[in-house]
Amino acid sequence: GNSVTQMEGPVTLSEEAFLTINCTYTATGYPSLFWYVQYPGEGLQLLLKATKADDKGSNKGFEATYRKETTSFHLEKGSVQVSDSAVYFCALLRDTNAGKSTFGDGTTLTVKP
Amino acid sequence: DAGITQSPRYKITETGRQVTLMCHQTWSHSYMFWYRQDLGHGLRLIYYSAAADITDKGEVPDGYVVSRSKTENFPLTLESATRSQTSVYFCASGKTGRGGELFFGEGSRLTVL
Repeated sequence: GNSVTQMEGPVTLSEEAFLTINCTYTATGYPSLFWYVQYPGEGLQLLLKATKADDKGSNKGFEATYRKETTSFHLEKGSVQVSDSAVYFCALLRDTNAGKSTFGDGTTLTVKP
Repeated sequence: DAGITQSPRYKITETGRQVTLMCHQTWSHSYMFWYRQDLGHGLRLIYYSAAADITDKGEVPDGYVVSRSKTENFPLTLESATRSQTSVYFCASGKTGRGGELFFGEGSRLTVL
């Protein structure tokens, strides 16, 4: 079946540090890949996505590249801010899976001033 | 306003009582989902629906009932609440097809005493 494995947290960084959150997946075919972010007390919201191999999704300074050869979709940001403190979820969606996304367990990021 | 709304946002109930969590979306998305979020378990799919009058079980359906008589509404009922159903519940909606991201509500925090 489909699965997503995320880097375990929590992750604590100082402001302006470089961020990487690893995500690898298992799925047949060509899934779409997503990063969602959940700020405290809120629902998840889409951060970025990529729908085919070698695509790069980007938003708000975050980037992730769909690497089919390594089945990965690692999230990166060059300089984090305190406001980036949140839980980050990696997810995949197979066209043939009745619209059901598969989520990783989430990685909590805390950025300290 | 367009969006997805959940109600109530907070609910305290007692063991054995029936509770219904409401979810309403204004986009006419075909897919709707109910997830629960618990510490250490990430997001777990309870039920989902591909269209009005079409529902199916997710990963953890026991103790829950859903219906979808209209495209825009997808209520979740706990027929006889148990303490293990204390959780934060998220409703989500999405379109079909490749790259179909999910749109989440703000969540309903349920406490069963």
